[in-house]
Formats: sequence, C-alpha cells, structure tokens
Amino acid sequence: GEDVEQSLFLSVREGDSSVINCTYTDSSSTYLYWYKQEPGAGLQLLTYIFSNMDMKQDQRLTVLLNKKDKHLSLRIADTQTGDSAIYFCAEISLPGNTPLVFGKGTRLSVIA
Amino acid sequence: EPEVTQTPSHQVTQMGQEVILRCVPISNHLYFYWYRQILGQKVEFLVSFYNNEISEKSEIFDDQFSVERPDGSNFTLKIRSTKLEDSAMYFCASSGTGGRYEQYFGPGTRLTVT
Repeated sequence: GEDVEQSLFLSVREGDSSVINCTYTDSSSTYLYWYKQEPGAGLQLLTYIFSNMDMKQDQRLTVLLNKKDKHLSLRIADTQTGDSAIYFCAEISLPGNTPLVFGKGTRLSVIA
Repeated sequence: EPEVTQTPSHQVTQMGQEVILRCVPISNHLYFYWYRQILGQKVEFLVSFYNNEISEKSEIFDDQFSVERPDGSNFTLKIRSTKLEDSAMYFCASSGTGGRYEQYFGPGTRLTVT
C-alpha cells in the first residue's frame, strides 16, 4: 500500500533555513501536502504541490518535488521560534476528494 | 476565514460507553472526513462522506463506528461501545469541489477511554 516516510526530528537555530524531507512510495501520487501541527492544536494546511510541478514558493516556504525519486521537501527560510511544530507530509493518489495518507511527522525545534 | 470546528475538545468516557464527536465543516464544502491519531502514531483515515452517504472507509472503521450529517451544518462520528484502544485524537476535515481538493482540519477531539 501507499506509504509516506519522514525523519522524526530536526533542530535548527533561529534565522537559519530548515529543510524537512519526505519520501513516498505511490508513483500515482497527484497532490502532495504539508501540514503544520502546533502543540495541542489541529492540522494547519501550509502548502501543497501538484505532481506536474517541480517547485512551489509561498513567502518563506519553498516546496521541492523530485518525482523520479519520489522525494518531497519543505524549506522554511529564516526559521523563527514560532515555526516550532510538527510538520506532516501527506499525499493523495487520485485527483479528487480522496483520503490523505500521512507521514509520521517531523518535529522541528527552533533554538533561539 | 472559515474554519472547521469540533466539540468537545476533550472527552473522557468509560469502556463500553457510546460517544458522539461533533464537527461543523466549512459551510460551502461538500466532502467530509474523519481521521484519528493515536498518540505518537500517524494520522489515519477513518471515513469520508459525500452526498449523505459514506464514500470511502478504512479497515479501522468497523461496525462500532457510524457517521451522520443530522442537519445542514453538523457532521458526527459515533462510537457505539468504546474500547481502550479507541483513545486517540479525532480530527474532522472538509474539502470543496471544482478541482479544489485541499482538506481543512478542525482542532480535534481528544478521546480518552478509561
């Protein structure tokens, strides 16, 4: 079945860039998403990328997609303490309102 | 900005009791979902709902679970006879139509079964 893998922890200094990586197994993945979960809160949709794109930029966030290697990354420029959270990669394999398949999440700690 | 809301934020129940978790999806969305996250594990899909019927469900969504849209705004998840292993965070999500597949999540209900 489909699987999404992420490293569990990342620690960066305030002001540095963070890069959170994700790999997925389903070659028919069409949309790939990044969600942010702050302590005690729900899942906030940060950004997404369609599988025919290589890159998407949205303010401090840059998403890179390497479809050949099934690798997705989220780069956060000028990381702030408020960026400390768990970041989930998720995908849907068919275009449509289908279930998301999530990774386990990467806990980002930002050191002041 | 419209958002998905869920009540209660925390529910404690005894094993064997029935619980109903409530969600108000974003008002112009037509697809609704329930997911759960057991502590320290992945967010897992339970069920999706469209046009007043279940469109897809996972293996987790067995006969003890049911969903309902009792009126034009609420979307509920009922667990008939709770087990200890049902303890988790339950998230409701909704998405629109017209090629917009992004799912927006509520803040979750933490269910604790004792």
